[in-house]
Amino acid sequence: ETGVTQSPTHLIKTRGQQVTLRCSSQSGHNTVSWYQQALGQGPQFIFQYYREEENGRGNFPPRFSGLQFPNYSSELNVNALELDDSALYLCASSSGLRTGVEETQYFGPGTRLLVL
Amino acid sequence: AQSVTQLDSQVPVFEEAPVELRCNYSSSVSVYLFWYVQYPNQGLQLLLKYLSGSTLVKGINGFEAEFNKSQTSFHLRKPSVHISDTAEYFCALGGNKLVFGAGTILRVKS
Repeated sequence: ETGVTQSPTHLIKTRGQQVTLRCSSQSGHNTVSWYQQALGQGPQFIFQYYREEENGRGNFPPRFSGLQFPNYSSELNVNALELDDSALYLCASSSGLRTGVEETQYFGPGTRLLVL
Repeated sequence: AQSVTQLDSQVPVFEEAPVELRCNYSSSVSVYLFWYVQYPNQGLQLLLKYLSGSTLVKGINGFEAEFNKSQTSFHLRKPSVHISDTAEYFCALGGNKLVFGAGTILRVKS
């Protein structure tokens, strides 16, 4: 069984640029969540996708956007990068929502983004 | 609103000693609780979870946690730690989104 993978592992951008991060979910999972982990802090929820539709969003501005594809892989796009966007971006997949039982989220290794 | 408080930012402990990492939560809805571990430069690995049922939950690597509804706590314990347990540990409250605490760095010394 293949786990959650993310690419790239590291990325350096300058302020004002745009970035796309990618995530492949674990086999059999149809739900993907994205989190931002700033240095020294716990992860913060950005948004979640279930079967290609956004299903919940955290307190992040609209310049953070996402997509989920038919194969359940996902992208996180960030426009107009700011210095504070420097963080580890984590993707997590789970096997589905709306079953009445909390689904465990399994995390990828993350993409470390540095904005200069 | 949901929130998680990890009461210790760092916990130093000698090898083979017991350890407890403390976590308190606040939630007005059903409570699902998780502990994740993060090794340096890596993502999060699930240690254990509480969804319902028995309040004592056993996880991987010899860790266990006890759900205490009256004290709104979910403390993580291990009776004897190893050098390889050195990592950052996160308590999280579940739902459609996970709400994480700020993390506790466990430093195991020889």
